[in-house]
Amino acid sequence: DQQVKQNSPSLSVQEGRISILNCDYTNSMFDYFLWYKKYPAEGPTFLISISSIKDKNEDGRFTVFLNKSAKHLSLHIVPSQPGDSAVYFCAASAYSGGGADGLTFGKGTHLIIQP
Amino acid sequence: GAGVSQSPSNKVTEKGKDVELRCDPISGHTALYWYRQSLGQGLEFLIYFQGNSAPDKSGLPSDRFSAERTGGSVSTLTIQRTQQEDSAVYLCASSQRDSYQQYFGPGTRLTVL
Repeated sequence: DQQVKQNSPSLSVQEGRISILNCDYTNSMFDYFLWYKKYPAEGPTFLISISSIKDKNEDGRFTVFLNKSAKHLSLHIVPSQPGDSAVYFCAASAYSGGGADGLTFGKGTHLIIQP
Repeated sequence: GAGVSQSPSNKVTEKGKDVELRCDPISGHTALYWYRQSLGQGLEFLIYFQGNSAPDKSGLPSDRFSAERTGGSVSTLTIQRTQQEDSAVYLCASSQRDSYQQYFGPGTRLTVL
C-alpha cells in the first residue's frame, strides 16, 4: 500500500503564476514531512520541510502547508519560474528514537513552467 | 564541501551476475540510506545505517540484496544474481544524527540485460 500519494503525475503552470503541488499520506505515525526537487540525472535536493507540530512553513517563494486532520500537505511556489521545472517528491518520516527512519516517498509530480 | 558521491554512475550487467554499488557519504554524517527508483515510481527505501548500530534492513526486497558500511563511512550495496526487475536508479543519502534532512547522491543507474 502506498503510504504517501501524489495523485498528479504532472502539472503545467504559467510563469509568474502560483504552482500548487499536493500530497496525501495514510500513516498517522509520520511526524515530519519534506519536499524534494529532482532534475534529470541528478539526485533529489531538499527544498523545504515541516514538522507535524506546525501547519505552515515558509522559505522565500516556497511555502508548505500541513493539514493533519486531513493527512494532506501542499507545496506552494509563487511566483513560478522556469527553473522550477522539475519533478517534486513529497516525503514523510517517523522518528523511531534511534534516528530518523528511511523516508517514504510519493511517486512525484512533474512540474512544467510554461513561458 | 563535498556532497554524497556514488560510483559507478552507470552500470550495465547481464542477468545472473553480481554487482556492487558504492556510496561515499558527506563527512561527519552518521546516518546513511539506500533507496532505489524504478521507472515511473517514487523512491523506495532499502536500508538504513546509523553509526555503528545494526542496520535497518526492512526495505530490502529480497535476500539477493545486502549492504555493508565500513568504518561508519563508505557503504557498498551488493545485488547478487541480478534480475531484470533490479534495473533502476540506486540512490544513496546521508544525514546528521537525529536530522530528518537527507542529502542525496547523483545515483547509479543499473541496467540488467
